[in-house]
Amino acid sequence: AQRVTQPEKLLSVFKGAPVELKCNYSYSGSPELFWYVQYSRQRLQLLLRHISRESIKGFTADLNKGETSFHLKKPFAQEEDSAMYYCALGRPGTASKLTFGTGTRLQVTL
Amino acid sequence: ETGVTQSPTHLIKTRGQQVTLRCSSQSGHNTVSWYQQALGQGPQFIFQYYREEENGRGNFPPRFSGLQFPNYSSELNVNALELDDSALYLCASSSAGAEAFFGQGTRLTVV
Repeated sequence: AQRVTQPEKLLSVFKGAPVELKCNYSYSGSPELFWYVQYSRQRLQLLLRHISRESIKGFTADLNKGETSFHLKKPFAQEEDSAMYYCALGRPGTASKLTFGTGTRLQVTL
Repeated sequence: ETGVTQSPTHLIKTRGQQVTLRCSSQSGHNTVSWYQQALGQGPQFIFQYYREEENGRGNFPPRFSGLQFPNYSSELNVNALELDDSALYLCASSSAGAEAFFGQGTRLTVV
């Protein structure tokens, strides 16, 4: 069975500090991994897709197949990064039928 | 280009009733997926419709059913509502393995 685990419900960091949001997954094969973000009063939106290998808003995420992890990182947190972050897993070649983690709320304080 | 829209935004139903939620997909998208998000949880996949046919289903009972129309809009129907069905229901549209775009959700409360 496929599963996504986000061990932290809340991560509080100071502005300018590094951020790492943890995500571990369980899947037989090579899944597609995503990070979704939900800012206050906004809809869920895609932040990163592992196959694109892009850096969006300063965030990066590397797929580690050995550790089955897809942690989200940013070197310097900004206030506007405060949001709910969800890690999600999909079957190869699909960005839908996703399995989501329970989410981590990132709180960036001054 | 319009985004994914869902209606209604909120509704309250009584246990045992039936409910229909609606979703208009983003222009050019032929695939609609529905998710249930309980309080404090991540979205959970209910099912997906592709070109008017069900194309995958999560671990939800048959009283959760759906439709997709020729214009790719979709409905989620839930029969015999239970208190645990209270949740935010999200619709997402996509096309050909590309990014899924989510609607703002419908908050269903069952009393």
